[in-house]
Amino acid sequence: GAGVSQSPSNKVTEKGKDVELRCDPISGHTALYWYRQSLGQGLEFLIYFQGNSAPDKSGLPSDRFSAERTGGSVSTLTIQRTQQEDSAVYLCASSPGLQAYEQYFGPGTRLTVT
Amino acid sequence: AQSVTQPDIHITVSEGASLELRCNYSYGATPYLFWYVQSPGQGLQLLLKYFSGDTLVQGIKGFEAEFKRSQSSFNLRKPSVHWSDAAEYFCAVAPTSGTYKYIFGTGTRLKVLA
Repeated sequence: GAGVSQSPSNKVTEKGKDVELRCDPISGHTALYWYRQSLGQGLEFLIYFQGNSAPDKSGLPSDRFSAERTGGSVSTLTIQRTQQEDSAVYLCASSPGLQAYEQYFGPGTRLTVT
Repeated sequence: AQSVTQPDIHITVSEGASLELRCNYSYGATPYLFWYVQSPGQGLQLLLKYFSGDTLVQGIKGFEAEFKRSQSSFNLRKPSVHWSDAAEYFCAVAPTSGTYKYIFGTGTRLKVLA
C-alpha cells in the first residue's frame, strides 16, 4: 500500500517568505507527527496530532511555526517569515494510534532558506 | 528531563565484523524503546522495538537489541555486518503514558569497509 508522502521534496525560499509543507499519512492512521532534522542533528520533535487535535505543541520552535490537520488525514506545517536557521529536513510520520506504535516515516521535505 | 544518548557519532567496521551501537536513555520509568535506520536520502525505517517481556528483541535485517534496565541501555547489535548496512541509526524512546512525544537520539553514522 501507499506509504507516507510529503510535498514538496525540496523547497528553496528567500528569508522572510512563508512556506507550507504537506504530509499525506497512511490511510487509516490516526496519529501524525512532525519532526525537524538539521544537519548532523537527531530528530527534533515538533508536534503530533491525534485525529485533528494537537495535544502537545511544545516542540514548535517559535510562534512562526504552526500546523494543522484536516479530516483526520492531510497535515500542513506552515513556517512564517522564514529564517536561515529554519533550513532543515522536515519529516512527517504516521502511526495507527498513539502509544507503542511504530511510526512510518515519509521521505521528508528539504527546506533551504537563502 | 527525558533524553536519549547515542555516544558514538561515527562508527566504522569492516564487512563481516560484528557491530554494537550504544543507546542510553534517561526516563522516569521504563519507556518503549525503538531503533530506526535511515539510509541516505531515505526516510526512517523501524528495525526493532521493545515494549515489555523478553529483554532481547529481534528485528529485521539480522539486527537484535538488548534492554538492560539496570544500565538504562538498549544497545543494537549485529553479528556480521554487510556493506548495505551503511546508514545512520537512531535510538528512540516513547512514553508509556501522558504526552506521546517520541524522543530520538542524535544518531550514529555507520560506515562499512569492504
